[in-house]
Amino acid sequence: GQQVMQIPQYQHVQEGEDFTTYCNSSTTLSNIQWYKQRPGGHPVFLIQLVKSGEVKKQKRLTFQFGEAKKNSSLHITATQTTDVGTYFCAFGNEKLTFGTGTRLTIIP
Amino acid sequence: GAVVSQHPSRVICKSGTSVKIECRSLDFQATTMFWYRQFPKQSLMLMATSNEGSKATYEQGVEKDKFLINHASLTLSTLTVTSAHPEDSSFYICSARPWEDTQYFGPGTRLTVL
Repeated sequence: GQQVMQIPQYQHVQEGEDFTTYCNSSTTLSNIQWYKQRPGGHPVFLIQLVKSGEVKKQKRLTFQFGEAKKNSSLHITATQTTDVGTYFCAFGNEKLTFGTGTRLTIIP
Repeated sequence: GAVVSQHPSRVICKSGTSVKIECRSLDFQATTMFWYRQFPKQSLMLMATSNEGSKATYEQGVEKDKFLINHASLTLSTLTVTSAHPEDSSFYICSARPWEDTQYFGPGTRLTVL
């Protein structure tokens, strides 16, 4: 079946630095969703992108969906300690297939 | 937003016993719920789709006789891990989609089989 790879697997950044995670698929996706999972917690829905080339912003977070709808990125500007967690991309309408995730740790 | 609850949050059991996990939608009705499993430091893997009033649909490689799913009402789905073994130790999470574009996850159940 379809698989979605995320890079990097881990990212350690100094507080205040920017962070980006990339999600890549070998096939065209109908949509892409992003979730955040805090350590010990459950995934929390952040956003869904549907259109080719779509860009959405949520405060310090910027989400992009590639023109070919095969890749997506999540960029966090000026990270804060509250951004710690694992960020997953996922696709599907009801049944979700999750990416491999990027674990973000912040150095205060 | 919509709320999905799970019970218990943690369970420790002996090998060979069965464990039941409940997933409830608290403020909406869910004809469909989903069960995922997450091993430490790994991604979430869909196990099955729970359908109210009918049989669950299992993903490839998931044993339906081992992971029994019952969706008897529009607000409750249960997952029973039968004859649990240490390799079944994992984080089990349910989810439901009360409306389009947004899926809500329960807080998860951490199962440890000794």
